Amino acid sequence: DTAVSQTPKYLVTQMGNDKSIKCEQNLGHDTMYWYKQDSKKFLKIMFSYNNKELIINETVPNRFSPKSPDKAHLNLHINSLELGDSAVYFCASSQDSGGAYNEQFFGPGTRLTVL
Amino acid sequence: KQEVTQIPAALSVPEGENLVLNCSFTDSAIYNLQWFRQDPGKGLTSLLLIQSSQREQTSGRLNASLDKSSGRSTLYIAASQPGDSATYLCAVSTGNQFYFGTGTSLTVIP
Repeated sequence: DTAVSQTPKYLVTQMGNDKSIKCEQNLGHDTMYWYKQDSKKFLKIMFSYNNKELIINETVPNRFSPKSPDKAHLNLHINSLELGDSAVYFCASSQDSGGAYNEQFFGPGTRLTVL
Repeated sequence: KQEVTQIPAALSVPEGENLVLNCSFTDSAIYNLQWFRQDPGKGLTSLLLIQSSQREQTSGRLNASLDKSSGRSTLYIAASQPGDSATYLCAVSTGNQFYFGTGTSLTVIP
């Protein structure tokens, strides 16, 4: 009965490859997010979707493309992987996209290592 | 642009001590502030959420306060235990955007 799940947990790949990370939430939330946590543990938002619609698209290389087939899923596809993409990627969800009571719930993370 | 700072970056205390973690933010126009805990190699676990109209929230041994006008929040942990050892992160919401601090790594020594 995991609330926010991600697959895979670990991903090791070569430079130049294309890979995808999947995220699913069973909380009935309308908004989902992708974050990147770098080696210094700093969390930075990459994308946010509300009801399958993109609402935040931070300055992220266009090699990163999110896809939301429905509001319970938000996948992240990365083309032409680079060494600097190595990080932990977290998916999160919240009830809506704003408001005072907008609590975020996080998935367990996907550790991506690019060799 | 909102900036969130957490001091200290690391803290080590003996078991049983009460402690305070600090979080400051530069723009007081926030919707809420959320405290998280992150264990090594794990995701973030939500601890407390304080709405912008609230001053504090409590859960068990944890008490979080919010002073929006001064851009500060504190997380008070009473009677610390070794199981409290983790990294604690605060995040502020400005609507559909969330800004995270760099975290405080807490070690509680048995």
